[in-house]
Amino acid sequence: GIQVEQSPPDLILQEGANSTLRCNFSDSVNNLQWFHQNPWGQLINLFYIPSGTKQNGRLSATTVATERYSLLYISSSQTTDSGVYFCAVERAGGTSYGKLTFGQGTILTVHP
Amino acid sequence: NAGVTQTPKFRVLKTGQSMTLLCAQDMNHEYMYWYRQDPGMGLRLIHYSVGEGTTAKGEVPDGYNVSRLKKQNFLLGLESAAPSQTSVYFCASRIRPNAAEAFFGQGTRLTVV
Repeated sequence: GIQVEQSPPDLILQEGANSTLRCNFSDSVNNLQWFHQNPWGQLINLFYIPSGTKQNGRLSATTVATERYSLLYISSSQTTDSGVYFCAVERAGGTSYGKLTFGQGTILTVHP
Repeated sequence: NAGVTQTPKFRVLKTGQSMTLLCAQDMNHEYMYWYRQDPGMGLRLIHYSVGEGTTAKGEVPDGYNVSRLKKQNFLLGLESAAPSQTSVYFCASRIRPNAAEAFFGQGTRLTVV
């Protein structure tokens, strides 16, 4: 099956700092999503971004499908950004049925 | 419009007991999924459904059964719970694969003692 690797595994920041999270995947995809899992365990959709660049406030994401990676940028980080960030992909092909394969996540801690 | 709703949110079971987790979505989505999340790991697919009356196995299906009798509901059953099934369970739905995002429920934290 498709492999999804996220880096770094852990990231500690001071409030106000910027960061970049990376997601590499081993095969062609037709769906890529970034999620934030907050300290209460909820999974929050951040971006649906199979290709291209999107921005939402202080967050932005870029997926370069031909090179099999995606980046999540967090600018001016806040303590509420703390949590785990997951990248999940759907392998391209007619038999994927929308199944998502998740990376191991990046644990982000933002200190005040 | 509630999106994807999971019931219950928390449950403690004794080894050997059975239970059913309910996932309900009000977005008229065809595709539904059950995932589990273990500590320090991403989510792994248990079972999925591509429409009413259909189910299929995912990556880690052993010890679970599912049913999709109504389009809006996807049930996950544990016939004889084991401590290895202690996990957080997430349900997801999407209108179709390939070109639409998946929406997730709030999760069910299950502990088997």
